[in-house]
Amino acid sequence: QQQVKQSPQSLIVQKGGIPIINCAYENTAFDYFPWYQQFPGKGPALLIAIRPDVSEKKEGRFTISFNKSAKQFSLHIMDSQPGDSATYFCAASMADDMRFGAGTRLTVKP
Amino acid sequence: DARVTQTPRHKVTEMGQEVTMRCQPILGHNTVFWYRQTMMQGLELLAYFRNRAPLDDSGMPKDRFSAEMPDATLATLKIQPSEPRDSAVYFCASGLVGAGGTEAFFGQGTRLTVV
Repeated sequence: QQQVKQSPQSLIVQKGGIPIINCAYENTAFDYFPWYQQFPGKGPALLIAIRPDVSEKKEGRFTISFNKSAKQFSLHIMDSQPGDSATYFCAASMADDMRFGAGTRLTVKP
Repeated sequence: DARVTQTPRHKVTEMGQEVTMRCQPILGHNTVFWYRQTMMQGLELLAYFRNRAPLDDSGMPKDRFSAEMPDATLATLKIQPSEPRDSAVYFCASGLVGAGGTEAFFGQGTRLTVV
């Protein structure tokens, strides 16, 4: 049973565009929602994270929007650059568990 | 520069052979995760440990996989006997359980190919 559902599977945008990646979770016990960025041949790296007591968090060009009642959260990348091309994973975590979405392969075209 | 170290980075082995993957978590972290990544399944949680004790290994095929933490600086994932369907990238991640959620840091992974 997939505990975190992520969409879309892949996404292509032009440089400067704003890709949006969406995730939904089932278990209301999750209380920490990180996003990871993975480049080919590397391990996932923590990008930005949010806790359910806030509805939005921004770090540089990356913004997480969180809707607790809908059990959904999303990642927005402002002014996307070719260097942002990577696979992005959302995750939902509680003290002793962390589950990942299936990943979104993002391509930002020059 | 604290980071999770995994060895080996690459492993090619024949079906039926034993494979051992090692992970050195970040010093001071109390939680260790093992994940498997494939194109078809994405990132799958295999097992995790808190303070070296296994908390959940329900994601692992029990008949052939085993995970241990012999000490706080070493976690191992063993496959015996290995099968071609085990070919994947195996990631170890370590984290520090805080007030709500665990921030986890990943190693570079071990790319396993079973032929």
